[in-house]
Amino acid sequence: KAGVTQTPRYLIKTRGQQVTLSCSPISGHRSVSWYQQTPGQGLQFLFEYFSETQRNKGNFPGRFSGRQFSNSRSEMNVSTLELGDSALYLCASSFPGTGTTGELFFGEGSRLTVL
Amino acid sequence: AQSVTQLDSQVPVFEEAPVELRCNYSSSVSVYLFWYVQYPNQGLQLLLKYLSGSTLVESINGFEAEFNKSQTSFHLRKPSVHISDTAEYFCAVRDNAGGTSYGKLTFGQGTILTVHP
Repeated sequence: KAGVTQTPRYLIKTRGQQVTLSCSPISGHRSVSWYQQTPGQGLQFLFEYFSETQRNKGNFPGRFSGRQFSNSRSEMNVSTLELGDSALYLCASSFPGTGTTGELFFGEGSRLTVL
Repeated sequence: AQSVTQLDSQVPVFEEAPVELRCNYSSSVSVYLFWYVQYPNQGLQLLLKYLSGSTLVESINGFEAEFNKSQTSFHLRKPSVHISDTAEYFCAVRDNAGGTSYGKLTFGQGTILTVHP
């Protein structure tokens, strides 16, 4: 079974630009979550999607947005990039349901550098 | 609200020595507890988890962690480490209330374990 796939793995943008990151969850997983990882702030929860609906959102500005498609694939978008948005963006999928623990399976991340 | 504190940011140790990575949490509700490991340039991998039942949980590669409710701790231990255990380790919590958001974990700041030959 293929794992969580994130694309692109690396990208460089300049301030003011926008970026879209993609995440394909494990087959059958319907929940996708996004995290930002930086040396200073560590791992911070961005948002979670389940069945195309945002279930939860972290404490990030509105420049950060996401969506989920009917096939459970998810994208996140960051508009008007700032230097502080440079980070590793991690996607995780899970299969929440009765009797399961909803364990998270992480992708390898998309490393964004903002110049 | 929940919080997780990993008491050591870096832990150097020699190969075959024992190691303990400390984790304390704070939560107003019951929680599930996790340890994840991250190797360089990779995502997070689940190492072990406490959901309920026995307070001592083990992983397949020799790590174990003990849930201590009174001390709100979930320390990770290994009796004999290998060079390949060098990585960053994250403790995380999630509330286990019904209808919870499965995707939202609260992570500690991480502990870098470096195993020296």
